[in-house]
Amino acid sequence: QQQVKQSPQSLIVQKGGISIINCAYENTAFDYFPWYQQFPGKGPALLIAIRPDVSEKKEGRFTISFNKSAKQFSLHIMDSQPGDSATYFCAATNTNAGKSTFGDGTTLTVKP
Amino acid sequence: GAGVSQSPRYKVAKRGQDVALRCDPISGHVSLFWYQQALGQGPEFLTYFQNEAQLDKSGLPSDRFFAERPEGSVSTLKIQRTQQEDSAVYLCASSSTGGREEKLFFGSGTQLSVL
Repeated sequence: QQQVKQSPQSLIVQKGGISIINCAYENTAFDYFPWYQQFPGKGPALLIAIRPDVSEKKEGRFTISFNKSAKQFSLHIMDSQPGDSATYFCAATNTNAGKSTFGDGTTLTVKP
Repeated sequence: GAGVSQSPRYKVAKRGQDVALRCDPISGHVSLFWYQQALGQGPEFLTYFQNEAQLDKSGLPSDRFFAERPEGSVSTLKIQRTQQEDSAVYLCASSSTGGREEKLFFGSGTQLSVL
């Protein structure tokens, strides 16, 4: 049973373009939704996170949009750069239970 | 140290061998998590400590997997009688907040290959 579904599996974007990655969850007990960036050979690094009491959060070029009723959230990367090329994971956390459930990841390639 | 440190970075084991993976969390971090990441997939939760107490071990795949954090800092994940399906990257993460998983800091992982 996959509790967090992520799409697309891979994404190719031109430099300067917008990258959009989507996730959907099932468990309404989740109350914290982080996005992680992972480079080859490294562990995931927290990029940006949102709680369900807000519909959008922006930090620099990165924006999370959150739709509580649809149980969906997405990551938007504006002005995508080649250095953004990495694997991105969404996650959903039940902070009372103390553990996160991750999506299967999206491999982003930004072409110069 | 400045970040979460894991050792060894790579481990090759013959099927049936026991292995021990070490995690040094960020100093002062209360919470410590172990995740398993198979190739091409997202991390999957294994177990969670708050200080020295193991609060959740529901993700451990079998009784061959055992984790400890005896003094509330360094943690060891032990896998007994390794099997080929245990091959994966084992990630350790720590957090400064006890009981609420926010701002996880991950180590670079231990890549385990079971031959």
